[in-house]
Amino acid sequence: AQSVTQLGSHVSVSEGALVLLRCNYSSSVPPYLFWYVQYPNQGLQLLLKYTSAATLVKGINGFEAEFKKSETSFHLTKPSAHMSDAAEYFCAVSATSYDKVIFGPGTSLSVIP
Amino acid sequence: DTEVTQTPKHLVMGMTNKKSLKCEQHMGHRAMYWYKQKAKKPPELMFVYSYEKLSINESVPSRFSPECPNSSLLNLHLHALQPEDSALYLCASSQDRADTQYFGPGTRLTVL
Repeated sequence: AQSVTQLGSHVSVSEGALVLLRCNYSSSVPPYLFWYVQYPNQGLQLLLKYTSAATLVKGINGFEAEFKKSETSFHLTKPSAHMSDAAEYFCAVSATSYDKVIFGPGTSLSVIP
Repeated sequence: DTEVTQTPKHLVMGMTNKKSLKCEQHMGHRAMYWYKQKAKKPPELMFVYSYEKLSINESVPSRFSPECPNSSLLNLHLHALQPEDSALYLCASSQDRADTQYFGPGTRLTVL
């Protein structure tokens, strides 16, 4: 069975600082991995996804994530935080492209001016 | 058009009411989903329709009844709900089950 953990339910960074949101997964097969963002009172938006191509995945809004099989990790980074990045971020996993997506508990990102 | 729309945005209903949530997409997607999201929690999958047929029902209580009248529409019929059913209900769609899901803005449901 697949599962996802996100270290840190809440992360605060200063504007312009590095954003690092952690995600570790458990999967019996090479997984499909996703990062979604949810702004207040909105639905979820896909930031990026890993589907066994390049291990470094670039997404929208300057975010990227690196798949590290040895560490079972898929951490999300952005070099310089903007105020508009404040939102809830969900890491998610599915075993195959047809399996349901399992979401992690989420990390709330605050950006301090 | 890359948008999933949901109506209404907000809904307040009593435990004896019958109401429906509506979801619409015009992207030609053949898979559609209903999720339930409680505050500060991740979305939980409720139902998946693929080519207008129900393919996944995550053991959801029968007071929630999904319907897919055509490839663009997905409804969620609500009857005799409980206060603990209050949540944000999200609809999503994808080209098919294997593809990226696009989410609507959700309907915030309050059951009194």
